Amino acid sequence: QKEVEQNSGPLSVPEGAIASLNCTYSDRGSQSFFWYRQYSGKSPELIMFIYSNGDKEDGRFTAQLNKASQYVSLLIRDSQPSDSATYLCAVNALGGTYKYIFGTGTRLKVLA
Amino acid sequence: DTEVTQTPKHLVMGMTNKKSLKCEQHMGHRAMYWYKQKAKKPPELMFVYSYEKLSINESVPSRFSPECPNSSLLNLHLHALQPEDSALYLCASSQDAPADTQYFGPGTRLTVL
Repeated sequence: QKEVEQNSGPLSVPEGAIASLNCTYSDRGSQSFFWYRQYSGKSPELIMFIYSNGDKEDGRFTAQLNKASQYVSLLIRDSQPSDSATYLCAVNALGGTYKYIFGTGTRLKVLA
Repeated sequence: DTEVTQTPKHLVMGMTNKKSLKCEQHMGHRAMYWYKQKAKKPPELMFVYSYEKLSINESVPSRFSPECPNSSLLNLHLHALQPEDSALYLCASSQDAPADTQYFGPGTRLTVL
């Protein structure tokens, strides 16, 4: 059974701090990794995707991928109350099942 | 433009009704998806269309019937639903199927009475 695991949280961080969200996956064949943000009652919104080992930065967000250890993380610098949401990790195996495997999501609370 | 649109935004229906959810994208994407999401749970894949052909049906009950009239449109026909089918129904699309980034529409909030 291919799995993607996330700590459900809530993860509480003070405003201005760095929030670190983690995701582990079981399928070594996984090739593409995605982070989505979902506000309550809204649809998932793509934040970043990463395919290669290492870091990928986009504004206040950095995705980190370590295929050997089978984890992907999302760092949010200078966290704002508006970042409070559920963050979903999704993993997709190349040439496999044409579908994402979603983690259960981590709820982030940024405290003003 | 990464917009996927869905109508209606909200839908309330009785167990004997027939209704349809609609999804549209104009990004030239060739894969489209239906997901169901319950509160505090991740999206759960229902169907995948790739190049207008149904490629995945995740053992969804027959009271849900998908249709892909063309590469830009995706419908989900609903009939004889149960109250437990109440959920947020999400449409997504991607350039092609396997590893591509999926973009989600705003969803339809469905309530079955």
